[in-house]
Amino acid sequence: SQTIHQWPATLVQPVGSPLSLECTVEGTSNPNLYWYRQAAGRGLQLLFYSVGIGQISSEVPQNLSASRPQDRQFILSSKKLLLSDSGFYLCAGRGEYNSPLHFGNGTRLTVT
Amino acid sequence: GQQVMQIPQYQHVQEGEDFTTYCNSSTTLSNIQWYKQRPGGHPVFLIQLVKSGEVKKQKRLTFQFGEAKKNSSLHITATQTTDVGTYFCAGQEGAQKLVFGQGTRLTINP
Repeated sequence: SQTIHQWPATLVQPVGSPLSLECTVEGTSNPNLYWYRQAAGRGLQLLFYSVGIGQISSEVPQNLSASRPQDRQFILSSKKLLLSDSGFYLCAGRGEYNSPLHFGNGTRLTVT
Repeated sequence: GQQVMQIPQYQHVQEGEDFTTYCNSSTTLSNIQWYKQRPGGHPVFLIQLVKSGEVKKQKRLTFQFGEAKKNSSLHITATQTTDVGTYFCAGQEGAQKLVFGQGTRLTINP
């Protein structure tokens, strides 16, 4: 079965600092990968998704970027964090169209 | 793009009472998925509905997909404290995107 590894679990970063969150996938090849953000007590906002190496679709104009350097690796980055970037970041993946999403445990980011 | 609206945003019930959350899409969906997120956790897949008018049950949970494939509901009979969490519906948009509703947070008074 598919497993999503995501780290770190929590992160506190100052405004203006860079960010790199990494997500790796086990148990499936050529997965569709997703980054979601969840503000406190709110829903899941789709940030980026990727259907293959080097292929990134951005859903919301923002201070973040994503990259997929390897089939099972998905990275979320920022050059300079803003206070509004605080939130719970979730990486998710699935093997086939219409199949369920498997989520990582998430990274709780606080920008101070 | 597709919008998925979910109501209510919050629901507080006494243990043993029933609970229902509703999901409506602005467009016809190819399928709808339901997820549960426990407090402090990540969303976990519950079920997928594909056919028009489909009804599926998982113990005390009943899931329905509307005839027009634009709405869905999740009903929990006789809630228990283990049902606490946020329930999300998610609609498929195109081949890759899964658009989530805002979720319904369920709290239960034991």
